[in-house]
Amino acid sequence: GAVVSQHPSWVICKSGTSVKIECRSLDFQATTMFWYRQFPKQSLMLMATSNEGSKATYEQGVEKDKFLINHASLTLSTLTVTSAHPEDSSFYICSASGLRKETQYFGPGTRLLVL
Amino acid sequence: LAKTTQPISMDSYEGQEVNITCSHNNIATNDYITWYQQFPSQGPRFIIQGYKTKVTNEVASLFIPADRKSSTLSLPRVSLSDTAVYYCLVGGSYGQNFVFGPGTRLSVLP
Repeated sequence: GAVVSQHPSWVICKSGTSVKIECRSLDFQATTMFWYRQFPKQSLMLMATSNEGSKATYEQGVEKDKFLINHASLTLSTLTVTSAHPEDSSFYICSASGLRKETQYFGPGTRLLVL
Repeated sequence: LAKTTQPISMDSYEGQEVNITCSHNNIATNDYITWYQQFPSQGPRFIIQGYKTKVTNEVASLFIPADRKSSTLSLPRVSLSDTAVYYCLVGGSYGQNFVFGPGTRLSVLP
């Protein structure tokens, strides 16, 4: 149980384009979803927290207009990186929690490379 | 937010027990302690979670003292496949205040 999927697993795009990453909870209803980014050899950095049907709460320093988060249903959240630039290249990981909000289950991650 | 401190790295040999301690001095009343394992280019995998005292499952044990300012993950008889980064994550039952520490890079040697 508690499986979270992400799609795509990796993406390469040109600078200036937008990229959408999907995060799905496959066997539970995710009332809260989290988006993290992770640079090589570093820990996970929380970008934003989203509750189903509500606007996402962004961490300090994360541009909400650049990283658009939508949590339209209890099983799906999307992260759109708008006008991506090489410095946005990173490993993006989502997680989801259900009734027990203190427990997060993580997706496999999406590797983004912006050329 | 509860900041966490862990050793940056640890080495062990196959078959040994490994204990990794995490400090979280300003843990809040409603915060739980969760440990995750992460392999390169993968998302973190849930290992164990606790609030106080001791928790045990099929892969690990978690020891939490009465003041909850630290926690220790115990991995019995590690194998080469346990080589990974281990994170302790402290966060609340309201689904907020989660901060990842730097993690502990465990290397299991033959």
